[in-house]
Amino acid sequence: GENVEQHPSTLSVQEGDSAVIKCTYSDSASNYFPWYKQELGKRPQLIIDIRSNVGEKKDQRIAVTLNKTAKHFSLHITETQPEDSAVYFCAAGYGNKLVFGAGTILRVKS
Amino acid sequence: GAGVSQSPRYKVAKRGQDVALRCDPISGHVSLFWYQQALGQGPEFLTYFQNEAQLDKSGLPSDRFFAERPEGSVSTLKIQRTQQEDSAVYLCASSLSGTGGHEQYFGPGTRLTVT
Repeated sequence: GENVEQHPSTLSVQEGDSAVIKCTYSDSASNYFPWYKQELGKRPQLIIDIRSNVGEKKDQRIAVTLNKTAKHFSLHITETQPEDSAVYFCAAGYGNKLVFGAGTILRVKS
Repeated sequence: GAGVSQSPRYKVAKRGQDVALRCDPISGHVSLFWYQQALGQGPEFLTYFQNEAQLDKSGLPSDRFFAERPEGSVSTLKIQRTQQEDSAVYLCASSLSGTGGHEQYFGPGTRLTVT
């Protein structure tokens, strides 16, 4: 079955700097790659997603890149702000089943 | 509009008790998912419904876990004879699409503590 590895497990950046989180997946059939943000005690919320027919997608300060050959995808957050501090999860899926990474705790220091 | 809701938000059960966790998906959403989230981990897939049909239950950890969605809307996850290792947050999510590859909207979760 699918296996998703996520790195780093924690990431501290200075406000205004960029943050990059990387994920690898094992099942080449996976074709949907969402990223979720989860604040402490809250529900996970989708921040951006990408499908396998696209290499890159951007939404304001957030971008995701996908390399299907290498089976890895990354989340890029530019001009980080304190409110970006949260746990970020990547996921990979085919059909309706999503497999999540273990999460990255992002701390943005002001 | 209303998002996904779950009840109860917190549940404490003595080992061996049965529990029932409820999920109210977004109205009109075809797909409904249950996940288990252990502390410091990502959500782990338990089971998936398309309308009232349970199409995938491969993630249910044992036969003590049972889920149903009899009318294709509200779903209940039941855990029989709870064990300490069942302690986790149980998340429900729904999606408009029945074909996959679309946003899953999560509920706030039920935090289950088995003592």
